Amino acid sequence: DAEITQSPRHKITETGRQVTLACHQTWNHNNMFWYRQDLGHGLRLIHYSYGVQDTNKGEVSDGYSVSRSNTEDLPLTLESAASSQTSVYFCASSGGGEQFFGPGTRLTVL
Amino acid sequence: DAKTTQPPSMDCAEGRAANLPCNHSTISGNEYVYWYRQIHSQGPQYIIHGLKNNETNEMASLIITEDRKSSTLILPHATLRDTAVYYCIVGGAGNNRKLIWGLGTSLAVNP
Repeated sequence: DAEITQSPRHKITETGRQVTLACHQTWNHNNMFWYRQDLGHGLRLIHYSYGVQDTNKGEVSDGYSVSRSNTEDLPLTLESAASSQTSVYFCASSGGGEQFFGPGTRLTVL
Repeated sequence: DAKTTQPPSMDCAEGRAANLPCNHSTISGNEYVYWYRQIHSQGPQYIIHGLKNNETNEMASLIITEDRKSSTLILPHATLRDTAVYYCIVGGAGNNRKLIWGLGTSLAVNP
């Protein structure tokens, strides 16, 4: 069955380190998204992609970057992790209908 | 992108219908109404979406008012496993791409 996976599921890192969160989907969807979720804020869009080589900034993109070199993957990079980036990160993909979400990555920046 | 307004919390008795309201008074003519739910720290799960007409699937029914400024998600026979946060979102025409999420409604189904 097609699925969307995220790794790692849990990550603890230190301030200033570069961190990359992986997202892989086997739906062959063109559209992929990264969100963060914090108490009191719901899901906030970080970056999104509508296809290979396409990336777009969401509402909270500062300090994050993505690249899309193939259909299946959209890794999210924190260039220099900050404590404010402690959060739960969700990846999603869509083929033109509903979005399918991964299980999430819980990131703690100390 | 249009925004939505939902009550922060609701209760429902197990076996009864749960009716979750949503206001989206600034919705554009080509924007769809989507409903998702999130069960305790899991990734959100798609429930249903619609444009103008009422919709029904195996999970729920979606009633959209004629002026499209509000909608209601109906879970016909709520179970304890329906306890979750329910999000109403309006988004891109015919292609669920960029979505702006609110805080949703926390539904508690009580035995």
